[in-house]
Amino acid sequence: DAGVTQSPTHLIKTRGQQVTLRCSPISGHKSVSWYQQVLGQGPQFIFQYYEKEERGRGNFPDRFSARQFPNYSSELNVNALLLGDSALYLCASSAGQGVNYGYTFGSGTRLTVV
Amino acid sequence: QKEVEQDPGPLSVPEGAIVSLNCTYSNSAFQYFMWYRQYSRKGPELLMYTYSSGNKEDGRFTAQVDKSSKYISLFIRDSQPSDSATYLCAMRTGTASKLTFGTGTRLQVTL
Repeated sequence: DAGVTQSPTHLIKTRGQQVTLRCSPISGHKSVSWYQQVLGQGPQFIFQYYEKEERGRGNFPDRFSARQFPNYSSELNVNALLLGDSALYLCASSAGQGVNYGYTFGSGTRLTVV
Repeated sequence: QKEVEQDPGPLSVPEGAIVSLNCTYSNSAFQYFMWYRQYSRKGPELLMYTYSSGNKEDGRFTAQVDKSSKYISLFIRDSQPSDSATYLCAMRTGTASKLTFGTGTRLQVTL
């Protein structure tokens, strides 16, 4: 079975541009979460979506937005990119929303803003 | 002050050694505790998932949680070069959907 799939794997953007990152969860998983991992730091929570609705939002500016599609895949959008947005963006899927469900992470999209 | 503190290392040990990795936290609402392993250029992989205080063992790995001290540990017995990775502790409350991670400890197991 395929794990969590993220695309693209690497991306280079210029300051001020916009970027869209994509995530396909494990088949049957209905929850997708997004995390930002800056080099040398642990992942920081950005969003969680469950059944196509936003169920949690981290402390990130409004330049960050996301959505989940009927097939449970998800997109993360970041507008007006800043140098500080350079990071590994991780998607995690789980079968449900509660504490009984573990998270499986994808390999991430490495975004470099120049 | 960060909610979760973790020594970034790096920690270098010889093959076969017992490794001890630790995290402290400040939020007493955390009830679920996890350890993830992250290889270079990969996403975190769940190793251990524990609820509240106590010990949990899985093969060469043992997770300990001491809620009274707000301290969690991961022990790796008979460490192997393939254990070389960054180890992240993560926590969540009973209601919040998000995981709160430590900064990660980089482990190097040498031959």
